[in-house]
Amino acid sequence: SQTIHQWPATLVQPVGSPLSLECTVEGTSNPNLYWYRQAAGRGLQLLFYSVGIGQISSEVPQNLSASRPQDRQFILSSKKLLLSDSGFYLCAWSRPDRGAYEQYFGPGTRLTVT
Amino acid sequence: AQKVTQAQTEISVVEKEDVTLDCVYETRDTTYYLFWYKQPPSGELVFLIRRNSFDEQNEISGRYSWNFQKSTSSFNFTITASQVVDSAVYFCALTPNTGGFKTIFGAGTRLFVKA
Repeated sequence: SQTIHQWPATLVQPVGSPLSLECTVEGTSNPNLYWYRQAAGRGLQLLFYSVGIGQISSEVPQNLSASRPQDRQFILSSKKLLLSDSGFYLCAWSRPDRGAYEQYFGPGTRLTVT
Repeated sequence: AQKVTQAQTEISVVEKEDVTLDCVYETRDTTYYLFWYKQPPSGELVFLIRRNSFDEQNEISGRYSWNFQKSTSSFNFTITASQVVDSAVYFCALTPNTGGFKTIFGAGTRLFVKA
């Protein structure tokens, strides 16, 4: 069966510090991978998605970036965090098709930028 | 425009009541996919159901049922005999066939089920 891991679970970082969130998927090959952000009490905002190693599409211009160094690893990064980067970050995977399949989400990382 | 509207921000019911969560979508695509997800207090979204635009059959799974009507662009979700464990935020989502892999989520409906 497939599982998706995210870490860390919670993170408190000062403004201007770097960020690295990691997501890994097990039990599937060549998944589509996604990063979402959820502000408190709000819906989900798609940040990045990837259909393969090194293939990243950005949905929202911001100070965040994403990388996919391995087939089942997806990393969200920032060189300098802003207060507005606070939120709940969710990684998800789906079967490799044109979005026709449901997404499976990780447990999320709660980021607070102080 | 591609859009999902969940007009109900919060709903509060007493246990054993039936409750319907509304979802209205907009898309110009003739082929698209609709989803419902549940987000319990723990935060992790859980997939509930997927429907294709060419399959308008309603579906029932235990206490959950879904009513898909293309004529009104709606995909409503009903919980029968609600339980406290149903308390969560529920998201309706749309993936159009064009536009790459972008899934559009509604703002969510927070459901409180009181004992």
